[in-house]
Amino acid sequence: KAGVTQTPRYLIKTRGQQVTLSCSPISGHRSVSWYQQTPGQGLQFLFEYFSETQRNKGNFPGRFSGRQFSNSRSEMNVSTLELGDSALYLCASSLESGTRGGELFFGEGSRLTVL
Amino acid sequence: DAKTTQPPSMDCAEGRAANLPCNHSTISGNEYVYWYRQIHSQGPQYIIHGLKNNETNEMASLIITEDRKSSTLILPHATLRDTAVYYCIGRSGNTPLVFGKGTRLSVIA
Repeated sequence: KAGVTQTPRYLIKTRGQQVTLSCSPISGHRSVSWYQQTPGQGLQFLFEYFSETQRNKGNFPGRFSGRQFSNSRSEMNVSTLELGDSALYLCASSLESGTRGGELFFGEGSRLTVL
Repeated sequence: DAKTTQPPSMDCAEGRAANLPCNHSTISGNEYVYWYRQIHSQGPQYIIHGLKNNETNEMASLIITEDRKSSTLILPHATLRDTAVYYCIGRSGNTPLVFGKGTRLSVIA
């Protein structure tokens, strides 16, 4: 069974640009969550999508957005990039129901560097 | 969800059991305790979760105290590959998993 796939793995952008990251969940998983990881702040929750609807949202500015498609694939977008957006962005998928929804399967992440 | 408290770091000799504590004194009755670990440069990995009964799987055992105010993750025979940051998280319903700072476990040869 294929794991969670994130693309691209590495990317470099400059301040003011925007970026789109993609995540393909494990087949059959309907929930996709996104996290940002930085050395200073650790792992921070961005948002979660289930059946194309945002179910939970973390405390990030509106420049961070996401969406989920009918095949459960998800994208996140960061507009007007700032230096502080440099981070590892992790996507995770899970079954949607009950306690199994807490068993997240993470991808390897997309490492974004903003210059 | 419950705030959890973990020691920042621990060492364990290779081949010995690693016992990682977690305090969650404010946990509510319907909150589960989840454990994850993150090996350097990889995404976090789910280990185990439980409500009030002890749980065991192929990776670890989870011991939850009767009053549910604390728990211990046990890696029975630690190897060098178990060196990682271990996270203890309380969660109920469909709330998102909120990762704290975790415990950095170093397994020493």
